[in-house]
This record gives sequence, C-alpha cells and structure tokens, in this order.
Amino acid sequence: DAGVIQSPRHEVTEMGQEVTLRCKPISGHNSLFWYRQTMMRGLELLIYFNNNVPIDDSGMPEDRFSAKMPNASFSTLKIQPSEPRDSAVYFCASSFTGLTGGYSNQPQHFGDGTRLSIL
Amino acid sequence: AQSVTQPDIHITVSEGASLELRCNYSYGATPYLFWYVQSPGQGLQLLLKYFSGDTLVQGIKGFEAEFKRSQSSFNLRKPSVHWSDAAEYFCAVGDPGRRALTFGSGTRLQVQP
Repeated sequence: DAGVIQSPRHEVTEMGQEVTLRCKPISGHNSLFWYRQTMMRGLELLIYFNNNVPIDDSGMPEDRFSAKMPNASFSTLKIQPSEPRDSAVYFCASSFTGLTGGYSNQPQHFGDGTRLSIL
Repeated sequence: AQSVTQPDIHITVSEGASLELRCNYSYGATPYLFWYVQSPGQGLQLLLKYFSGDTLVQGIKGFEAEFKRSQSSFNLRKPSVHWSDAAEYFCAVGDPGRRALTFGSGTRLQVQP
C-alpha cells in the first residue's frame, strides 16, 4: 500500500520566493495534518483538516503560511514570501477518523517530509 | 492542556543491552498514548499505542510499553537492542478535548557495537 506521499523531498530557494509543499494522503484517510520539525522547537502541528475542511489552524505561524485541501487526495502548504527562519522539515500525516471518534485516538501515518532551506 | 515530557534527550546503549525510554504526561484523565520512531531522513512510524485495557502493550520491532497511571508514565522498553534501532523516539499524547496529538521533544538513541 502506498503511504503518505510528499513532494518535493528537498527544496532550496531564496528568501522572498513562494514555496509550495504538496501532500497526497493515504487513500481512505479523512484527516490530514501538517507539521514542522526544527531542532529548536521540535515537532509542531501547523494545521489539520477533516473531510477536506480546516479544523484547527492555530499552529500556523503567521499569514505568510496558508494550507488548502481541495479534495480528499491532495493538500498544499504554501509560504509566501518565504524567510530563512522558515527553514525546517515539513511533514504531512494522515489518519482515518470515524463518525464518532476524535482525531486524537487514531494513529497518524507520516510522509518522509520535505526538507526546506531558505537562503 | 496536556503535555508530554521525555526527560532524556540522548541515550547510548550497547547492542544486545536492554533499553528503557522514559515518557511522562500531564493530563487529567487517561489519555491516548503513542510511541513513534523516526529514522534519519524519514517520517515518523508508529511503534505502538495505548487506549485502554491491558497496561502492557506490545508493538512492532520487539518494543513494548507500560502505562502506569500512578506515575503518569508510558515508558518504552526493549529487552535486547539491535544496531538498527538507532533512531529518534517520540512519545505522543492524544486528548479527546483537543482533538490532536501532542508530541514530546524526542529521545535520540545511539547503539554502540
């Protein structure tokens, strides 16, 4: 079975450029999560979706960050304009949440991440 | 709000030795508990999970964890470590009220030959 697929695996760009990270969740999963991992702050939840609807974006650092999920099989995380402090590894994860269950009792399946470097 | 503490940033063990990684959580009720492993350059992989019932849970790759309510702990153990176990390990807590997982800061495991 295909896991969570993220692209690109590595991205190096100059400050001020727009960056778009992509994620394809596991087929059948209805919850999708975007995380950022840095040495200083560890693993931070940025935003999560359920049934393509953003549920909680309180972790999004600022207005330069935006995320969309136009359909059940695709999500993007966009940074515009990018800054050097955005350099990190960005992970996408997906899970299945039942009709009555919360999001916190379902194991999340992670992609291999996108290593982003802003020069 | 719940929180997770992994007090050991870095642990080194010899191959074949036993392993215990510590995890303490703060939450009013019984939380959902998870252990994940991250190999270099890869995402997190679920090792095991605890929701209720038997407090000793078995996971993949020979790992187990024990939930101790009195100590608010969910320590990860393995009786004999293999060199391939070298990785970073994350404990996570799920809070139904918050509807998302909170991850600890991780413990990096190094295995000596």
